[in-house]
Amino acid sequence: DAGVIQSPRHEVTEMGQEVTLRCKPISGHNSLFWYRQTMMRGLELLIYFNNNVPIDDSGMPEDRFSAKMPNASFSTLKIQPSEPRDSAVYFCASSVGTATEAFFGQGTRLTVV
Amino acid sequence: AQSVAQPEDQVNVAEGNPLTVKCTYSVSGNPYLFWYVQYPNRGLQFLLKYITGDNLVKGSYGFEAEFNKSQTSFHLKKPSALVSDSALYFCAVRVPYSSASKIIFGSGTRLSIRP
Repeated sequence: DAGVIQSPRHEVTEMGQEVTLRCKPISGHNSLFWYRQTMMRGLELLIYFNNNVPIDDSGMPEDRFSAKMPNASFSTLKIQPSEPRDSAVYFCASSVGTATEAFFGQGTRLTVV
Repeated sequence: AQSVAQPEDQVNVAEGNPLTVKCTYSVSGNPYLFWYVQYPNRGLQFLLKYITGDNLVKGSYGFEAEFNKSQTSFHLKKPSALVSDSALYFCAVRVPYSSASKIIFGSGTRLSIRP
């Protein structure tokens, strides 16, 4: 298996633009997580899906952030409009069910200028 | 609410010496506990987990962790450190089989092994 696949690996965008990050979980995994990592705040859970349904989105910073999981093999995290403080590394992770470890993608490094 | 604490931002150890990276947690119920490692510009890699049974669990690269229910701790250990163990280590907790079975991570501990 190729593991969790995220795209793009790097994204540089101007403030105010829309940004879409993509994730393909490991086949057969039905839990999906989006995390954000910064030096100041560490690794924060943004949203958690189980069987394509958002279970906990309490970590989503504000209405500018939205996440979807239209099917079991694809998820997106969208920021509209983007701001410089959104600059971070965004990770997607997936797991089998609700009782196992999660496997992480390589992350998307987002820079908003 | 679930929470994980890693009280040390950095741990420095000489190569060949034993190492310990500390982790404590706070959850309702019986949690599953994990350790991950992150190398520069990489995603997190799973090291080991505690589910039930023996309090000492063994994982990848010679690492092990000791679960202590009374102290709500899950410290990561290795008998003899290698320079290549230098990385960022995260402890995580998950309450299994629940409707809110998210995985929460600690703040991370940077492990530095000097030759």
